[in-house]
Amino acid sequence: DAGVTQSPTHLIKTRGQHVTLRCSPISGHKSVSWYQQVLGQGPQFIFQYYEKEERGRGNFPDRFSARQFPNYSSELNVNALLLGDSALYLCASSLEGQGNYGYTFGSGTRLTVV
Amino acid sequence: GQNIDQPTEMTATEGAIVQINCTYQTSGFNGLFWYQQHAGEAPTFLSYNVLDGLEEKGRFSSFLSRSKGYSYLLLKELQMKDSASYLCVYNQGGKLIFGQGTELSVKP
Repeated sequence: DAGVTQSPTHLIKTRGQHVTLRCSPISGHKSVSWYQQVLGQGPQFIFQYYEKEERGRGNFPDRFSARQFPNYSSELNVNALLLGDSALYLCASSLEGQGNYGYTFGSGTRLTVV
Repeated sequence: GQNIDQPTEMTATEGAIVQINCTYQTSGFNGLFWYQQHAGEAPTFLSYNVLDGLEEKGRFSSFLSRSKGYSYLLLKELQMKDSASYLCVYNQGGKLIFGQGTELSVKP
């Protein structure tokens, strides 16, 4: 079985541009969460989706948005990119929304904003 | 509030034992995870404690005291490949709150 897959693996964008990151969870997992990890820090929660509904949102500006599709894959969108958005964006897949069965992370998308 | 404290860096010798401590403060708590993360890679699951006590899994053990807001990860028989960042993470109703990570360096 495939694990959590994220695309693209690396991305370079210019300030002010828009970016879409994609995540496919483990087959059978219904929850997807997004995290931002800046170099030297632990990941920060951005969004959680369960059964296509948003269950939680972290302390990020409205430039960040996400959605989950009927097949449980997810997209993270960031508008009006800033230099500070440069980070590793991680997607985590879980069976249900409470995390009682653990989380599996994808390898991440490394976003560089120049 | 939400706060996790763990040491920034630790160094240990190959074959030795190391304990990484973590304290947390939170108003909502479902359990505590430990993840390992090698540079540039995704975090990988090590352990999950929901109840107080010690969970042992091979060379790795994790302990939780909910009343004290305290956990530790114990690594035995250290190997060079154990050099990585170790993340203390609590589960707040499905939302993971990460510490900054402890960078462990294993020396020969």
